[in-house]
Amino acid sequence: EVRLVESGGTWVQTGGSLRLSCVASGFNFSNYWMSWVRQAPGQGLEWVGRIKDRADGETTHYAAPVKGRFTISRDDSTKMLFLEMNSLRGEDAGVYYCTTETQYWGHGTLVTVSP
Amino acid sequence: SYELTQPPSVSVSPGQTARITCSGEALPKKFVYWYQQKSGQAPVMVIYEDNKRLSRIPERFSGSASGTMATLTISGAQVEDEADYYCYSAGISGNPSFGPGTKLNIL
Repeated sequence: EVRLVESGGTWVQTGGSLRLSCVASGFNFSNYWMSWVRQAPGQGLEWVGRIKDRADGETTHYAAPVKGRFTISRDDSTKMLFLEMNSLRGEDAGVYYCTTETQYWGHGTLVTVSP
Repeated sequence: SYELTQPPSVSVSPGQTARITCSGEALPKKFVYWYQQKSGQAPVMVIYEDNKRLSRIPERFSGSASGTMATLTISGAQVEDEADYYCYSAGISGNPSFGPGTKLNIL
């Protein structure tokens, strides 16, 4: 069974930092490009960023609103994906999903940002 | 960022055909993916690469694309199909975007 399980979401003050984790199982994680997608309360889905697989140099790409503040990394040996978030703003609040951008999605972890 | 356009809502009666459109300037060159999201749940991919469907997705779901528009069609919509539907595609520059989402109402 394929599983993606996110963790690390919590309440954080504006300007603070947070690290989200995602552990994968049931599929060949190292062969997949992995992404983070977020959803603010009552809003639509927003692509945050992506890290390619080792064969593609583990290259990262980010959406404009988070570029320079967020960093995506991966550890294929433990099948984990990470999202390091700095200088957090109110508009960064929401549910963060770990996903292959295709058929595999986690259930999300909630990030709350307030003054 | 790359912009995809969807209607805010579509309403049909049970058994009717629902069509949800998605437009974007890069669609002639980029695949479209469609996701279904029910309230409080994670998204589920229903169509990939314009018109392909995983075996676990009901056959009533189909996709098509022509020019700058893609369409998700639900033939014989069921009450359980009521959800938000998002299209997703990459822009010419490479970074992908989701459409704003369409709420499908089964009345």
